[in-house]
Amino acid sequence: GAVVSQHPSWVICKSGTSVKIECRSLDFQATTMFWYRQFPKQSLMLMATSNEGSKATYEQGVEKDKFLINHASLTLSTLTVTSAHPEDSSFYICSAPDRTTNEKLFFGSGTQLSVL
Amino acid sequence: GDSVTQMEGPVTLSEEAFLTINCTYTATGYPSLFWYVQYPGEGLQLLLKATKADDKGSNKGFEATYRKETTSFHLEKGSVQVSDSAVYFCALSPSGTSYGKLTFGQGTILTVHP
Repeated sequence: GAVVSQHPSWVICKSGTSVKIECRSLDFQATTMFWYRQFPKQSLMLMATSNEGSKATYEQGVEKDKFLINHASLTLSTLTVTSAHPEDSSFYICSAPDRTTNEKLFFGSGTQLSVL
Repeated sequence: GDSVTQMEGPVTLSEEAFLTINCTYTATGYPSLFWYVQYPGEGLQLLLKATKADDKGSNKGFEATYRKETTSFHLEKGSVQVSDSAVYFCALSPSGTSYGKLTFGQGTILTVHP
């Protein structure tokens, strides 16, 4: 079946640095990808919708300049956490819909970000 | 806004026990409802879904019925296996929107012992 590969699976960085997370659709093309964030013991929250060839759509309350999203090709979307701070520490997950039906979502395995 | 509330975990069961994980939702209109499962080290996978009231989603022995009157979508399995140990997420997609814009519950960790 379709697979979404997310990398890295975990990352530790110093406060003030930027971290890039990649999300690839391995055997299908994705014009749209979704980025979620999960705090411990809380639900996944949709952060933004990534659109190939155009600007991402951010959910209310999500800082566009903090969480930069780029969807440069039909198989790759990236999320860059800029000038990371400890409060950005979280679990980030990407997903992409089945392009033929847009009804089935495929998820990456997630990235655990820890900012020291 | 829309919300999903799941039964708090973790849930620990013996093999062949009956499983229920409660899920209730708040949404306008007629959302689509989903259960996703995340096995250790893997991404979330769709387990089952229901798109209208009284629909029953089923897969791998799991079932859930879309109950509009009680705004619920409880997950059940008659006899769990060790391999069912995972995190289960209830989710909804608002009516008329892309299935990608999901609202999730907080997840329930299930551990099944031999």
